[in-house]
Amino acid sequence: AQKITQTQPGMFVQEKEAVTLDCTYDTSDQSYGLFWYKQPSSGEMIFLIYQGSYDEQNATEGRYSLNFQKARKSANLVISASQLGDSAMYFCAMRGRLYNTDKLIFGTGTRLQVFP
Amino acid sequence: DAGVIQSPRHEVTEMGQEVTLRCKPISGHNSLFWYRQTMMRGLELLIYFNNNVPIDDSGMPEDRFSAKMPNASFSTLKIQPSEPRDSAVYFCASSLQGRVEKLFFGSGTQLSVL
Repeated sequence: AQKITQTQPGMFVQEKEAVTLDCTYDTSDQSYGLFWYKQPSSGEMIFLIYQGSYDEQNATEGRYSLNFQKARKSANLVISASQLGDSAMYFCAMRGRLYNTDKLIFGTGTRLQVFP
Repeated sequence: DAGVIQSPRHEVTEMGQEVTLRCKPISGHNSLFWYRQTMMRGLELLIYFNNNVPIDDSGMPEDRFSAKMPNASFSTLKIQPSEPRDSAVYFCASSLQGRVEKLFFGSGTQLSVL
């Protein structure tokens, strides 16, 4: 079975500081993809970053980077230089290819609060 | 270019009524997904289509739920009869088949069943 675990229900960070949101996963697939989405209070789901299981380098997108540790089955999101607008729910998700499915499995999310 | 468009944005209905949620995927996308978000269960996939054909409907809760995709630019999720436990945010998302790393979500429909 596939599973995504986000153990931090809430995180606080001061503006301009970096923050790491944890994500661990469980899968028997050899080929899979990991995602992070942001959900602000307005409710929409915003794609942030993607990491393929065979990608040798950690994915980066602007201030977002994914700390991918395959042996530990972790895919933590690092946000550098936090901004007030980063306050939101953050979801880690995984896609497996075992059954050639495009289905994403989501974690329970982490609520990030950025304070001045 | 317009994103995934869902309607209505909010829906309030009474228990037992039929509810229809609508989705227009991004033009050119041939995979469409319906997700439901609740506090208790988080985000869960209900059903997804490739080229208008349902591929995986294992997440559809029960027979009260049905989804259709009559053409490449339109999909509906219907609940009949609705129950209070169906209250949730329902998201539609679309992508190119096999390119789910480029999955785009609509703004969601907030459904409240009284």
